[in-house]
Amino acid sequence: AQKITQTQPGMFVQEKEAVTLDCTYDTSDQSYGLFWYKQPSSGEMIFLIYQGSYDEQNATEGRYSLNFQKARKSANLVISASQLGDSAMYFCAKGTGSNYQLIWGAGTKLIIKP
Amino acid sequence: DAGVIQSPRHEVTEMGQEVTLRCKPISGHDYLFWYRQTMMRGLELLIYFNNNVPIDDSGMPEDRFSAKMPNASFSTLKIQPSEPRDSAVYFCASSPGTGFIRGYTFGSGTRLTVV
Repeated sequence: AQKITQTQPGMFVQEKEAVTLDCTYDTSDQSYGLFWYKQPSSGEMIFLIYQGSYDEQNATEGRYSLNFQKARKSANLVISASQLGDSAMYFCAKGTGSNYQLIWGAGTKLIIKP
Repeated sequence: DAGVIQSPRHEVTEMGQEVTLRCKPISGHDYLFWYRQTMMRGLELLIYFNNNVPIDDSGMPEDRFSAKMPNASFSTLKIQPSEPRDSAVYFCASSPGTGFIRGYTFGSGTRLTVV
């Protein structure tokens, strides 16, 4: 079965430092998409960034970038210049086939310290 | 665009009662998904619809759960009878179905507590 692994259940990071959240995945698919979502304490799920398996460049969205290493099957999220508001759960997900169904990792709880 | 709208935000009910959760997807989105989130099991896909038709309900835990999508702008998830182990946050999400650069859009969720 396909699986998404987020090895860091929790992380503490000093404000303004860069953060890397790890995500690895199993797949035999040739075409797939990788997603990161943020879930703050208020509970909503917020889409952050997407990477297609055939995209040659790493995706970026503002302070978020995705370090995509296809051969290693990893899709780490990098947050530059962390802010207190970045404290949240972060979920990595992979879309299979047409991406209509996502497989989710267990999440990483990120706490930014002032 | 109002986003995906779920109601109620919170529901507390007694074991054995019927619970109905509601969802209004984003207009024009062809796909609708129901997820359940618990601490123990994380995010679980319960069922998803394409153009109002259920495509995969293999995640529905048991016959007590049912979902309908009578039209493109409304879906319900019903639990009858409810049990304490159904306590969770239930999310509805929708997707346009063409290109997934933006992923799913989630609703704010319904926090269900069955006592």
